[in-house]
Amino acid sequence: NAGVTQTPKFQVLKTGQSMTLQCAQDMNHNSMYWYRQDPGMGLRLIYYSASEGTTDKGEVPNGYNVSRLNKREFSLRLESAAPSQTSVYFCASSAARASGSYNSPLHFGNGTRLTVT
Amino acid sequence: GQQVMQIPQYQHVQEGEDFTTYCNSSTTLSNIQWYKQRPGGHPVFLIQLVKSGEVKKQKRLTFQFGEAKKNSSLHITATQTTDVGTYFCAGGNAGNNRKLIWGLGTSLAVNP
Repeated sequence: NAGVTQTPKFQVLKTGQSMTLQCAQDMNHNSMYWYRQDPGMGLRLIYYSASEGTTDKGEVPNGYNVSRLNKREFSLRLESAAPSQTSVYFCASSAARASGSYNSPLHFGNGTRLTVT
Repeated sequence: GQQVMQIPQYQHVQEGEDFTTYCNSSTTLSNIQWYKQRPGGHPVFLIQLVKSGEVKKQKRLTFQFGEAKKNSSLHITATQTTDVGTYFCAGGNAGNNRKLIWGLGTSLAVNP
């Protein structure tokens, strides 16, 4: 049981290049998330998907797009990378329902360490 | 806006000493979750507290949720080198995890 799988693990981009971070979960979870983690800033939510076919902006969505391809997969795209997007990116999933009355634990992937030069 | 303040930011202890990190929310929470992140790793869920005044234990770790559901603490008794990492709290609102409000974490270093 792999849990949440992210690819790639490391990436170096030049300013202006584009790339897609892939995420897949095998726990049949409804909700999926993309976070970025920067020193001193903690975890900040970029985008969120409560269910297949729906996405919503989080705290820091500018410069990113997402696709919830199916229940398993949630990708994050940087159309034109900027040095400010140098960060560690985490995908997470949870069983939480879109309109539930509780929060359920997040299961994180191993992260993608992205450097934009 | 809603905030969860976590203190201290860093803690350096000798192995065998106790350790406590605190989270304080500006608003009443529906629940609070705790996560541990090892250096170079990803956050791993530890526990969720839901009830006012709730106390839960996991071996040497004791988690508390305040009576007013606005604060929480994690206490580690007799730290070990395996406890090294950053501990995050995340406060939840009723609803979905999009509303989780994360503390900035407490980084724990343990001298053997």
